[in-house]
This record gives sequence, C-alpha cells and structure tokens, in this order.
Amino acid sequence: DAKTTQPTSMDCAEGRAANLPCNHSTISGNEYVYWYRQIHSQGPQYIIHGLKNNETNEMASLIITEDRKSSTLILPHATLRDTAVYYCIVRSKRIYNQGGKLIFGQGTELSVKP
Amino acid sequence: DAGVIQSPRHEVTEMGQEVTLRCKPISGHDYLFWYRQTMMRGLELLIYFNNNVPIDDSGMPEDRFSAKMPNASFSTLKIQPSEPRDSAVYFCASSRGQGQNTEAFFGQGTRLTVV
Repeated sequence: DAKTTQPTSMDCAEGRAANLPCNHSTISGNEYVYWYRQIHSQGPQYIIHGLKNNETNEMASLIITEDRKSSTLILPHATLRDTAVYYCIVRSKRIYNQGGKLIFGQGTELSVKP
Repeated sequence: DAGVIQSPRHEVTEMGQEVTLRCKPISGHDYLFWYRQTMMRGLELLIYFNNNVPIDDSGMPEDRFSAKMPNASFSTLKIQPSEPRDSAVYFCASSRGQGQNTEAFFGQGTRLTVV
C-alpha cells in the first residue's frame, strides 16, 4: 500500500477554511484516497474519499492533483468542533492480494482557535 | 443500524489473565478490522477479515493475541495471557469492499488496562 506524508500539526482560525495537505507520491491506479478524523477519545470518523476527481460532501471537499500524487482536504468554515487528528489514507479496493487494507499514519493534528 | 458495537467499553484486568474483546460489525459489511491505539504507536492495524476469513494478521504483536470471526455478525480479539504493555484502546471497524459506500465505520473502542 502507498504511504502518505502529512504535516504533524496545523492551526486554523475559527470560521476560516482549513486546508490539510497530503502527499501520496507512490499511489497506484487502483488506490483511492480516504480521509478520516479522530476527535479525542472517540473512534475515527470517515470524512470523504476519491479516486481522481474532486469530491465534495456536507463535511468537506477533497482536491486531488491531476497526477494523483497529492491531495488537499478542505474544511470550508472550520469550527472549534473540527479540532481533531486528520488522517489521509490510500486504500486499494481490489478484493484480491490483501485488497481493502486500511492503514493509518500519524495524521495531522488540527487545532481550530477562536 | 446501531453502528459497530464493541464490548466492553472499559476493561481492567490483572497481568496473566485472559481478556476477550467483542465486536459486532454493521450488517452487510464484508470487511472487519481490529486496531490498537497507544500514544507511542498511534493506530495500528492488528488483523482484518474479508467475508469472515482472516486476510492479514501480520500486525498481531505475538502469539498471545488471537482473533476469530465465526460468522458475519461477530468477532473476538483475545489476549492470553495479558501483560501491562497490552494496555491500549482497541478499535473494531467494518466496511463494504465494493460499491459506492466503502467507508469504514469504527466502534467506540475498548479501553484495556492491564495492571
């Protein structure tokens, strides 16, 4: 599985957009980019995922570069409740050869400040 | 669906005792994952199943750890004998492998303390 690189920590002002980058330069054609977050003491929570097109849902937007070697998660209007660790993961959806494996890195600790 | 259900939420046990953690995945999900989380090592994948079959158990730390999935609605993670270094939060997660909605859903975790 491809490895990801994320900054260890980031700050964001409340109400502003939070842009969280992720590098996945060794991603292969059948691997998707997933984002999860973990608020203190809770289980990780799914945010969004994509293959090559940009995606948007009620929580966030995901921008994937054309070469798919990096992506950015955007929280358009960050609130204090968005303070969490954000994980970028690449995951193969093939069902053979250990497909579907979900490996977490160290993530980015986002602090949203008033 | 009530989501992924783990039990117990908290477990305190003495070193040397057997510990069994339980997980009920979301109905219809064909993948089940067991993770361990500590401050030092973060979220580690211990083992995962597809259609009740273990696919990769390379993350299981040693022979004291074992996991089973006897049917699609139940899985256990057993530690025998337990040691203080096993103290951690253990998460179970489930997902579909194919189709549109393949995101993994996590349980609330079991906080294990071995004294």
